[in-house]
Parts: sequence; C-alpha cells; structure tokens
Amino acid sequence: DAGITQSPRHKVTETGTPVTLRCHQTENHRYMYWYRQDPGHGLRLIHYSYGVKDTDKGEVSDGYSVSRSKTEDFLLTLESATSSQTSVYFCAILAGQGNTNYGYTFGSGTRLTVV
Amino acid sequence: DQQVKQNSPSLSVQEGRISILNCDYTNSMFDYFLWYKKYPAEGPTFLISISSIKDKNEDGRFTVFLNKSAKHLSLHIVPSQPGDSAVYFCAASVSKTSYDKVIFGPGTSLSVIP
Repeated sequence: DAGITQSPRHKVTETGTPVTLRCHQTENHRYMYWYRQDPGHGLRLIHYSYGVKDTDKGEVSDGYSVSRSKTEDFLLTLESATSSQTSVYFCAILAGQGNTNYGYTFGSGTRLTVV
Repeated sequence: DQQVKQNSPSLSVQEGRISILNCDYTNSMFDYFLWYKKYPAEGPTFLISISSIKDKNEDGRFTVFLNKSAKHLSLHIVPSQPGDSAVYFCAASVSKTSYDKVIFGPGTSLSVIP
C-alpha cells in the first residue's frame, strides 16, 4: 500500500462554486498526478507535480488549478465548477523503483457531481 | 486523437476460458506499456507491464504480448475467473526509467461468467 488518501470520497456541489480535492501520500514520492475518469475516455491527465511548488498541465487542465506546498499533499481546485466537471477524480503517485518503472499507484478516487 | 486505443468497450468470457484484451497505439515513441485493472469504486491497480525490447511478459495467469511493427499489444488471461471481472486499461509511456506521464486507453470492461 503506497499510502495514498483522497478526500472527500464523494461530493455534490453547485455550478459556479469552487471545489478543492485533496490527495495525501505518506511515502515521500516526488511525482504526483491528478486524473479524471470518464466513460469512453479512460483516464485523462489534468495536472501533475514533480516536486514542491513544481507543477505542470496535463491534457485536460482548463478550469483546474493545483498546488503542492508540501511533498505529501497535492490539491486540485475547480475554480468555478461546471457540469462538465462531473467525474471521478483519481490521484496517483509514480511508484518507480530504481530503473524499474512499476507505473502508477492510485488513490481510491473522489466522485464529484456538479449540479 | 487518442494515442492509445481499446476498440472493444466490453468483453464477456466463460469462466475457465481465455480472455484476450486488445490495445493499439499510434505513437511510435512509446516504449513501455502497462495494464491496469479497476474494480468499481476503487482506484486502478497495476497488473503487468512490458518493455519494447520484449515481445512477451508473463505473470501467473496474465501474459502481455507486444507487436511493435503493428503497434499492438494484448493481454491474455488464462484461465479466466469471475474475480477477473473488471475494467482493464491499457497504458503507454515514452520511457520506462524517467518520470514521463502515462497515456491511458479508454478501457475494456471484462465480464467473466461463472
């Protein structure tokens, strides 16, 4: 278990309100990612971080911002939630070991509904 | 345009038979491929991977085959068990050792019928 915790697990919010999702890891991994999962699209990268205060955009970053002030926490903010942002959001860390990339380890997800 | 494609959204297989899940990719720079398995209400979990220097990797009941010339990979599950019922995501990366982001396919939902 890579010790990834996402909160909240479920959230319903109104259109136009800001929402922040939290990802917390306990194993000091440098790389953290936010993905969204939608039917027919699989998992799409929103933003990722390669260190404290070092972040970059992914494939579907519009309408989202992130912050990483501590190694263990990676926050995803929907600045003004829209119905198109209704989705399941997954945080991931990169569980590489030396020269062997074992790929990502994912959190359990946050199901967000924007009404 | 999707760089990683899984053209079968769903697949049903009888218990004990072979399940074959297919994946195609378009980016010739991909050199590391992974399969993830996802149960409802859980995050995806890593299943098996393969480097482009190999054409086959096996782990118990799971085998991944890579055909680089065709830009195609497949996951074989033998024998299939009801607990294998899940969504399977194919994924690709441009590097095995660096921390590049991984591109996922849309997934195939496998149902193993007892």
